[in-house]
Amino acid sequence: SQKIEQNSEALNIQEGKTATLTCNYTNYSPAYLQWYRQDPGRGPVFLLLIRENEKEKRKERLKVTFDTTLKQSLFHITASQPADSATYLCALPAGSTLGRLYFGRGTQLTVWP
Amino acid sequence: DTEVTQTPKHLVMGMTNKKSLKCEQHMGHRAMYWYKQKAKKPPELMFVYSYEKLSINESVPSRFSPECPNSSLLNLHLHALQPEDSALYLCASSRERRGQVSHEQYFGPGTRLTVT
Repeated sequence: SQKIEQNSEALNIQEGKTATLTCNYTNYSPAYLQWYRQDPGRGPVFLLLIRENEKEKRKERLKVTFDTTLKQSLFHITASQPADSATYLCALPAGSTLGRLYFGRGTQLTVWP
Repeated sequence: DTEVTQTPKHLVMGMTNKKSLKCEQHMGHRAMYWYKQKAKKPPELMFVYSYEKLSINESVPSRFSPECPNSSLLNLHLHALQPEDSALYLCASSRERRGQVSHEQYFGPGTRLTVT
């Protein structure tokens, strides 16, 4: 069965550094991958979508890579700020069924001053 | 308007009660979703509506009953819930187009449900 792993439950970094979060998947080949941010007690907020034919995508201080050979996506936040502290979730489509997304367990990022 | 709204924000109900959760969006999205999220776990898909028709039911117990009265509204009717059903219930919507790959999902703030 399909499996998504975000291999760090928590990541603590100093303000100004680059945070790198990892999402690995097994047993299928998704057409795209998404990253979401979730603050405590709130719904996830969409950040970026990267398709299988895109190696890299950027949005302001965010950068996502997608390596379909390694079955891995890396999510980078450059010049991190305390306001970036949140849980970051990767999500992949579950097969070809429209609307079905599987979410990883998330990585809780804490940026300290 | 890029917002998904959910009411109520918090709900406490007994195991014999009947209550409903409401979700609304005015982005013209034709797919709407219900998710359940327990603490420190990822959101788990419950139901998907596409063009007001139920397209996915992830084997959810019948004590949860979804309804999509129109393309902007989504309800989740609750009856005879169990304490383990206590969770954050999230609604989401997306720009589904027939035959095309899903787009990003826009989530509401959720309803924190406690079943006593």
